[in-house]
Amino acid sequence: EAGVTQFPSHSVIEKGQTVTLRCDPISGHDNLYWYRRVMGKEIKFLLHFVKESKQDESGMPNNRFLAERTGGTYSTLKVQPAELEDSGVYFCASSQVRGFNHEQFFGPGTRLTVL
Amino acid sequence: AQSVTQLGSHVSVSEGALVLLRCNYSSSVPPYLFWYVQYPNQGLQLLLKYTSAATLVKGINGFEAEFKKSETSFHLTKPSAHMSDAAEYFCAVRTQGGSEKLVFGKGTKLTVNP
Repeated sequence: EAGVTQFPSHSVIEKGQTVTLRCDPISGHDNLYWYRRVMGKEIKFLLHFVKESKQDESGMPNNRFLAERTGGTYSTLKVQPAELEDSGVYFCASSQVRGFNHEQFFGPGTRLTVL
Repeated sequence: AQSVTQLGSHVSVSEGALVLLRCNYSSSVPPYLFWYVQYPNQGLQLLLKYTSAATLVKGINGFEAEFKKSETSFHLTKPSAHMSDAAEYFCAVRTQGGSEKLVFGKGTKLTVNP
Protein backbone atom coordinates (compact mmCIF):
# COMPACT_ATOMS: atom_id res chain seq x y z
CA GLU A 1 0.00 0.00 0.00
CA ALA A 2 1.37 3.38 -1.00
CA GLY A 3 1.98 5.88 1.74
CA VAL A 4 1.24 9.59 1.75
CA THR A 5 2.98 11.27 -1.16
CA GLN A 6 3.78 14.94 -1.64
CA PHE A 7 4.85 16.90 -4.67
CA PRO A 8 7.19 18.58 -5.26
CA SER A 9 9.84 17.51 -2.79
CA HIS A 10 11.54 20.89 -3.11
CA SER A 11 10.45 24.23 -4.47
CA VAL A 12 12.47 27.41 -4.75
CA ILE A 13 10.55 30.54 -5.75
CA GLU A 14 10.93 34.30 -5.66
CA LYS A 15 9.02 36.47 -3.25
CA GLY A 16 5.68 37.40 -4.78
CA GLN A 17 5.35 34.28 -6.89
CA THR A 18 2.74 31.58 -6.48
CA VAL A 19 3.41 28.00 -5.48
CA THR A 20 1.07 25.04 -5.25
CA LEU A 21 1.88 22.03 -3.12
CA ARG A 22 0.11 18.73 -3.59
CA CYS A 23 -0.63 15.89 -1.20
CA ASP A 24 -1.99 12.47 -2.06
CA PRO A 25 -3.21 10.72 1.09
CA ILE A 26 -3.38 7.01 1.65
CA SER A 27 -6.30 5.60 -0.32
CA GLY A 28 -9.46 5.48 1.77
CA HIS A 29 -8.28 7.98 4.36
CA ASP A 30 -10.98 10.58 4.90
CA ASN A 31 -8.91 12.78 7.20
CA LEU A 32 -6.17 14.91 5.71
CA TYR A 33 -3.99 17.31 7.66
CA TRP A 34 -1.46 19.97 6.64
CA TYR A 35 1.36 20.97 8.97
CA ARG A 36 4.33 23.30 8.53
CA ARG A 37 7.76 23.53 10.08
CA VAL A 38 9.52 26.84 9.82
CA MET A 39 13.27 26.55 10.37
CA GLY A 40 14.20 26.20 14.00
CA LYS A 41 10.63 26.02 15.16
CA GLU A 42 8.18 23.28 15.94
CA ILE A 43 5.90 21.56 13.45
CA LYS A 44 2.61 23.46 13.49
CA PHE A 45 -0.87 22.49 12.40
CA LEU A 46 -2.34 24.38 9.47
CA LEU A 47 -5.67 22.73 8.68
CA HIS A 48 -7.75 19.57 8.63
CA PHE A 49 -10.07 18.15 5.98
CA VAL A 50 -12.66 15.45 6.39
CA LYS A 51 -13.26 14.28 2.86
CA GLU A 52 -13.68 17.51 0.90
CA SER A 53 -14.78 19.66 3.83
CA LYS A 54 -12.53 21.88 5.89
CA GLN A 55 -13.09 20.95 9.53
CA ASP A 56 -10.50 23.16 11.15
CA GLU A 57 -8.40 25.84 9.50
CA SER A 58 -7.39 27.60 12.69
CA GLY A 59 -3.70 27.22 11.90
CA MET A 60 -3.71 28.90 8.51
CA PRO A 61 -1.45 31.92 8.89
CA ASN A 62 -3.28 34.35 6.62
CA ASN A 63 -5.38 34.63 3.50
CA ARG A 64 -2.40 34.13 1.20
CA PHE A 65 -2.82 30.42 1.89
CA LEU A 66 -5.60 28.48 0.18
CA ALA A 67 -6.17 24.77 0.66
CA GLU A 68 -8.51 22.61 -1.35
CA ARG A 69 -9.43 18.96 -1.48
CA THR A 70 -11.43 18.33 -4.59
CA GLY A 71 -13.57 15.21 -4.46
CA GLY A 72 -12.13 14.24 -1.11
CA THR A 73 -9.01 12.72 -2.64
CA TYR A 74 -5.81 14.69 -3.09
CA SER A 75 -5.29 18.12 -1.60
CA THR A 76 -3.49 21.23 -2.76
CA LEU A 77 -2.08 24.09 -0.73
CA LYS A 78 -1.52 27.28 -2.67
CA VAL A 79 0.54 30.19 -1.42
CA GLN A 80 -0.12 33.41 -3.31
CA PRO A 81 1.83 35.64 -3.18
CA ALA A 82 4.67 33.93 -1.35
CA GLU A 83 6.61 35.84 1.29
CA LEU A 84 10.03 35.12 2.80
CA GLU A 85 8.51 33.89 6.06
CA ASP A 86 6.62 31.17 4.20
CA SER A 87 9.85 29.22 3.78
CA GLY A 88 9.81 25.89 5.58
CA VAL A 89 8.81 22.27 5.24
CA TYR A 90 5.16 21.53 4.59
CA PHE A 91 3.94 18.14 5.75
CA CYS A 92 0.77 16.37 4.87
CA ALA A 93 -0.73 13.58 6.96
CA SER A 94 -3.76 11.36 6.59
CA SER A 95 -5.75 9.08 8.85
CA GLN A 96 -8.57 6.65 8.32
CA VAL A 97 -10.56 7.40 11.43
CA ARG A 98 -10.46 9.65 14.43
CA GLY A 99 -10.71 8.59 18.02
CA PHE A 100 -8.81 6.41 20.42
CA ASN A 101 -6.57 4.50 18.04
CA HIS A 102 -6.31 6.91 15.18
CA GLU A 103 -2.83 7.40 13.78
CA GLN A 104 -1.77 10.08 11.37
CA PHE A 105 0.53 8.88 8.59
CA PHE A 106 2.89 11.54 7.31
CA GLY A 107 4.32 12.26 3.90
CA PRO A 108 7.98 13.19 3.31
CA GLY A 109 7.19 16.89 3.15
CA THR A 110 7.77 19.64 0.62
CA ARG A 111 10.65 21.97 1.35
CA LEU A 112 9.69 25.47 0.21
CA THR A 113 12.31 28.19 -0.10
CA VAL A 114 11.19 31.73 -0.85
CA LEU A 115 14.00 34.04 -1.97
CA ALA B 1 -4.14 24.83 25.50
CA GLN B 2 -1.92 21.82 25.16
CA SER B 3 1.81 22.14 24.64
CA VAL B 4 4.97 20.06 24.51
CA THR B 5 8.51 20.91 25.55
CA GLN B 6 11.49 18.90 24.42
CA LEU B 7 14.64 19.56 26.38
CA GLY B 8 17.72 19.60 24.20
CA SER B 9 17.58 20.34 20.49
CA HIS B 10 20.65 18.13 19.98
CA VAL B 11 21.67 14.98 21.82
CA SER B 12 24.83 13.04 21.09
CA VAL B 13 25.53 9.52 22.35
CA SER B 14 28.03 6.80 21.64
CA GLU B 15 26.98 3.62 19.89
CA GLY B 16 25.80 1.18 22.55
CA ALA B 17 25.03 3.89 25.10
CA LEU B 18 21.66 4.69 26.62
CA VAL B 19 19.44 7.05 24.67
CA LEU B 20 17.27 9.42 26.70
CA LEU B 21 15.20 12.09 24.96
CA ARG B 22 13.11 14.29 27.22
CA CYS B 23 9.55 15.43 26.71
CA ASN B 24 7.26 17.32 29.05
CA TYR B 25 3.69 18.15 28.23
CA SER B 26 0.99 20.49 29.38
CA SER B 27 -2.61 19.37 29.11
CA SER B 28 -5.80 20.09 31.02
CA VAL B 29 -7.21 16.68 30.12
CA PRO B 30 -5.61 13.23 30.14
CA PRO B 31 -3.30 13.42 27.16
CA TYR B 32 -2.72 11.23 24.16
CA LEU B 33 1.04 11.40 23.60
CA PHE B 34 3.18 10.36 20.67
CA TRP B 35 6.80 10.07 19.65
CA TYR B 36 7.60 10.38 15.96
CA VAL B 37 10.95 9.94 14.24
CA GLN B 38 12.14 11.54 11.03
CA TYR B 39 15.02 9.93 9.20
CA PRO B 40 16.82 12.05 6.58
CA ASN B 41 14.69 12.70 3.49
CA GLN B 42 11.75 10.79 4.89
CA GLY B 43 8.42 11.63 6.48
CA LEU B 44 7.53 11.37 10.14
CA GLN B 45 7.14 7.81 11.35
CA LEU B 46 5.28 6.86 14.49
CA LEU B 47 7.56 5.30 17.11
CA LEU B 48 5.03 4.80 19.87
CA LYS B 49 1.92 6.26 21.47
CA TYR B 50 0.35 6.56 24.91
CA THR B 51 -3.43 6.43 25.03
CA SER B 52 -4.07 5.91 28.78
CA ALA B 53 -3.53 2.17 28.92
CA ALA B 54 -0.14 1.01 30.27
CA THR B 55 2.16 3.80 31.45
CA LEU B 56 5.21 2.09 29.95
CA VAL B 57 4.81 2.02 26.20
CA LYS B 58 6.98 -0.05 23.90
CA GLY B 59 7.54 1.07 20.35
CA ILE B 60 9.43 0.07 17.27
CA ASN B 61 13.20 -0.35 16.99
CA GLY B 62 13.66 -1.02 20.71
CA PHE B 63 12.38 2.34 21.91
CA GLU B 64 10.07 2.79 24.87
CA ALA B 65 8.58 5.68 26.80
CA GLU B 66 7.12 6.03 30.25
CA PHE B 67 4.16 8.26 31.02
CA LYS B 68 4.57 9.97 34.39
CA LYS B 69 1.55 12.06 35.29
CA SER B 70 3.14 13.50 38.44
CA GLU B 71 6.03 14.83 36.39
CA THR B 72 3.98 15.58 33.25
CA SER B 73 6.67 13.73 31.32
CA PHE B 74 6.87 11.21 28.51
CA HIS B 75 10.60 10.62 28.03
CA LEU B 76 11.84 8.34 25.25
CA THR B 77 14.55 5.78 25.98
CA LYS B 78 16.50 3.02 24.30
CA PRO B 79 19.01 0.94 26.26
CA SER B 80 21.62 0.71 23.54
CA ALA B 81 21.98 3.19 20.69
CA HIS B 82 22.63 2.02 17.16
CA MET B 83 24.08 4.06 14.33
CA SER B 84 20.78 3.71 12.49
CA ASP B 85 19.00 5.59 15.31
CA ALA B 86 20.50 8.87 14.14
CA ALA B 87 17.47 10.98 13.25
CA GLU B 88 15.26 13.75 14.56
CA TYR B 89 12.69 12.83 17.18
CA PHE B 90 9.46 14.67 17.88
CA CYS B 91 7.19 14.44 20.88
CA ALA B 92 3.55 15.40 20.30
CA VAL B 93 0.27 15.64 22.15
CA ARG B 94 -2.99 15.17 20.33
CA THR B 95 -5.93 17.44 20.99
CA GLN B 96 -9.11 15.61 21.89
CA GLY B 97 -12.31 16.15 20.02
CA GLY B 98 -12.57 18.35 16.97
CA SER B 99 -9.78 17.91 14.49
CA GLU B 100 -7.57 15.86 16.85
CA LYS B 101 -4.57 17.73 15.53
CA LEU B 102 -1.08 17.09 16.82
CA VAL B 103 0.80 19.69 18.85
CA PHE B 104 4.54 19.08 18.49
CA GLY B 105 7.65 19.89 20.44
CA LYS B 106 10.57 21.51 18.63
CA GLY B 107 12.30 18.21 18.01
CA THR B 108 15.56 16.65 19.18
CA LYS B 109 18.26 15.69 16.72
CA LEU B 110 20.04 12.53 17.85
CA THR B 111 23.62 11.87 16.76
CA VAL B 112 25.16 8.47 17.37
CA ASN B 113 28.94 8.37 17.42
CA PRO B 114 30.89 5.19 16.57
